Amino acid sequence: DAKTTQPPSMDCAEGRAANLPCNHSTISGNEYVYWYRQIHSQGPQYIIHGLKNNETNEMASLIITEDRKSSTLILPHATLRDTAVYYCIVRVAIIQGAQKLVFGQGTRLTINP
Amino acid sequence: ETGVTQSPTHLIKTRGQQVTLRCSSQSGHNTVSWYQQALGQGPQFIFQYYREEENGRGNFPPRFSGLQFPNYSSELNVNALELDDSALYLCASSLVASPNEQFFGPGTRLTVL
Repeated sequence: DAKTTQPPSMDCAEGRAANLPCNHSTISGNEYVYWYRQIHSQGPQYIIHGLKNNETNEMASLIITEDRKSSTLILPHATLRDTAVYYCIVRVAIIQGAQKLVFGQGTRLTINP
Repeated sequence: ETGVTQSPTHLIKTRGQQVTLRCSSQSGHNTVSWYQQALGQGPQFIFQYYREEENGRGNFPPRFSGLQFPNYSSELNVNALELDDSALYLCASSLVASPNEQFFGPGTRLTVL
């Protein structure tokens, strides 16, 4: 029941902004968009999340379209350590008080020197 | 602040055997979720535990079961292992009242021969 679609791979030059797109056209009004990344089969690392407003933190920015059907994760100045698989995720309610993260296939981002 | 820890890191079993994987949640977190990640795929939600009870379940058969203890640590048990159970098993902890971030552990790599 994956609810997101991402390109399987992307490349970006070191020092440039990396823009990772995600489609989530079936997202419901109260479902959040999350981004995690995973390096070398380690545990996924939280990056950022949002509902309908654009968000920014020390790691990245999240731009969500007005219709909420797509979003873009922006890494403003990519470094070699940003090479990872990036997952765009929808947080889905299971039962009241319980949530699960629904992962898609992710985008393998390679930062080139 | 202690992060999420999992044990063992690697495990090899044969078909039909049973396995127990362990997870210690991040300090102060009262909710633990378990995910299965097959090679090359995104993590898939197995179940979540809160207050020592299962609080939501994904599309996994009953031979996948779990426990949560009063200190919020958790176990994942898999009976009658099958070859397709070979995967990275991840646990993630969070505060049920504030599920904005799920913090993942490093995972246990299970190989079923």
